[in-house]
Amino acid sequence: GENVEQHPSTLSVQEGDSAVIKCTYSDSASNYFPWYKQELGKRPQLIIDIRSNVGEKKDQRIAVTLNKTAKHFSLHITETQPEDSAVYFCAAITGNQFYFGTGTSLTVIP
Amino acid sequence: GAVVSQHPSRVICKSGTSVKIECRSLDFQATTMFWYRQFPKQSLMLMATSNEGSKATYEQGVEKDKFLINHASLTLSTLTVTSAHPEDSSFYICSISGTGAADTQYFGPGTRLTVL
Repeated sequence: GENVEQHPSTLSVQEGDSAVIKCTYSDSASNYFPWYKQELGKRPQLIIDIRSNVGEKKDQRIAVTLNKTAKHFSLHITETQPEDSAVYFCAAITGNQFYFGTGTSLTVIP
Repeated sequence: GAVVSQHPSRVICKSGTSVKIECRSLDFQATTMFWYRQFPKQSLMLMATSNEGSKATYEQGVEKDKFLINHASLTLSTLTVTSAHPEDSSFYICSISGTGAADTQYFGPGTRLTVL
């Protein structure tokens, strides 16, 4: 099955700086890559996603890039704010099976 | 997106008892629902895929006789943790998929289970 690795596991940035989280996957059949933000004790919320026929997608301060050849995709958050502090999960989807990364705890320091 | 609810949000039970968790799709007929377990500071681990009208598909290592899943309608799936033990204490989250194929998943708010 699919194996998704996510790095780093923790990340601290100063407010206003950028944050980058990277994920790699193993199954070349995976074709959908969402990113979720999860605040403590709450449900994961979809923040951005990308499909395999696209290399980059941007939504305001958030962007995702996908390199299918290398089987990796990244989340980029620019101009970080304290409310961006949360745990972020990447996922890779094969068929209708979601495989989640191990999560990145992002702390934005005011 | 789809609205998913779970009940209860929190439950505390004694070891050896059974606990039922409900997952409801409020505005979407979900032929497929997913059940996840999340331990503190860890990722979501898929437990099983719940298919309406048929048996659930369990992930490797998940005991189907311990985690009973019933998906009797297009809007309701239940997870019953039988003979619960302290190690079953976890955050259980359900989700539905937009079309059952590769698509966005919508998560329920989760159920915090504590087994004493």
